[in-house]
Amino acid sequence: GESVGLHLPTLSVQEGDNSIINCAYSNSASDYFIWYKQESGKGPQFIIDIRSNMDKRQGQRVTVLLNKTVKHLSLQIAATQPGDSAVYFCAESRRGGSNYKLTFGKGTLLTVNP
Amino acid sequence: SQTIHQWPATLVQPVGSPLSLECTVEGTSNPNLYWYRQAAGRGLQLLFYSVGIGQISSEVPQNLSASRPQDRQFILSSKKLLLSDSGFYLCAWKLGGVSEQYFGPGTRLTVT
Repeated sequence: GESVGLHLPTLSVQEGDNSIINCAYSNSASDYFIWYKQESGKGPQFIIDIRSNMDKRQGQRVTVLLNKTVKHLSLQIAATQPGDSAVYFCAESRRGGSNYKLTFGKGTLLTVNP
Repeated sequence: SQTIHQWPATLVQPVGSPLSLECTVEGTSNPNLYWYRQAAGRGLQLLFYSVGIGQISSEVPQNLSASRPQDRQFILSSKKLLLSDSGFYLCAWKLGGVSEQYFGPGTRLTVT
């Protein structure tokens, strides 16, 4: 079936280090892949997305890499800060008519140690 | 700029009682609207989505229902709550033709 899953449920890093959060997907028909950050008790916050025809996209301190051969997605956070501590979700977006539907993975908890 | 509101922020309801959660979006027109539920420590499960007034699509069979009486208002309801309805309910919006959805602050529902 269709699924978006994560390799690791938790990740702990030192402040200033780079973080890499991984995600595996199974549906090759996805149009976009999106990363969200969710802090405790809050709604998810959009971080960055990447179209399925791209391999890499960079934002402010974040980079998303897409490897379609192995159906793998990663989010790299440079110089991780305590404020980056949160649960990170990957999601795949597929278009159905005029609507894009998101399928979310289970999430990775990132803890940044000072 | 666009903003999305949800209320109440938290809610404790007994089993068998009715439910009404409201979501409103400001600063945009004709958004696609979504209701998700998130169990503790889990990902988001899409419950309903709407591409226009009065247009509701259900993703998961359940005792919940949704309505969109106005362009920027989305309501999640139940006639009789179950214990399994407890969770974090999130409303989201997006514009047609783009992928990213923007989420509201959520409602924490506890059914006792």
